[in-house]
Amino acid sequence: DVKVTQSSRYLVKRTGEKVFLECVQDMDHENMFWYRQDPGLGLRLIYFSYDVKMKEKGDIPEGYSVSREKKERFSLILESASTNQTSMYLCASSLTQGQAFFGQGTRLTVV
Amino acid sequence: DAKTTQPPSMDCAEGRAANLPCNHSTISGNEYVYWYRQIHSQGPQYIIHGLKNNETNEMASLIITEDRKSSTLILPHATLRDTAVYYCIVRGGAGSYQLTFGKGTKLSVIP
Repeated sequence: DVKVTQSSRYLVKRTGEKVFLECVQDMDHENMFWYRQDPGLGLRLIYFSYDVKMKEKGDIPEGYSVSREKKERFSLILESASTNQTSMYLCASSLTQGQAFFGQGTRLTVV
Repeated sequence: DAKTTQPPSMDCAEGRAANLPCNHSTISGNEYVYWYRQIHSQGPQYIIHGLKNNETNEMASLIITEDRKSSTLILPHATLRDTAVYYCIVRGGAGSYQLTFGKGTKLSVIP
């Protein structure tokens, strides 16, 4: 059974903290993605990666960075968390052609 | 830039067919049409995809117009569990790694 696993389902962090959101996939997919989802705004792409150590900005990369040191793992980093980064974060992976598989999401609250 | 256009919401009576439209007038020849759905608080789930021909699987049917500028997802006998946000996405082609979602269509299945 294919799987994309996000490290936490719920997370509460303080303003200014450095936050790591981890995503692991077991399907040997080249592509991995990070999205955030807010009410009324749909899924917005933050960053994606098409290979190890490769990364591309999505539509809303400001305030975020990513790391892909291994093919199966894609990390989203909030260098200094702010309250406007409170959101649902979703990770996905896919082959270049083909369906994407999503994790269950991490609901991050920054207080 | 949004590659697809979908109505923001639709209602469907339980047991009836739900027909969800999507416009993708700028689709290029090697791009596929994908459909996903997201049930509240879960990650998006793949439904079906196609290039030119109509496609059917155990979940749904996908009808793509001959000019490929629009498509329709058909849920033949909608149930209450089909209430979700449905996303139509175009993706594919050489060097096309990005996976961008629009705001989708909120389908409400009514008893």
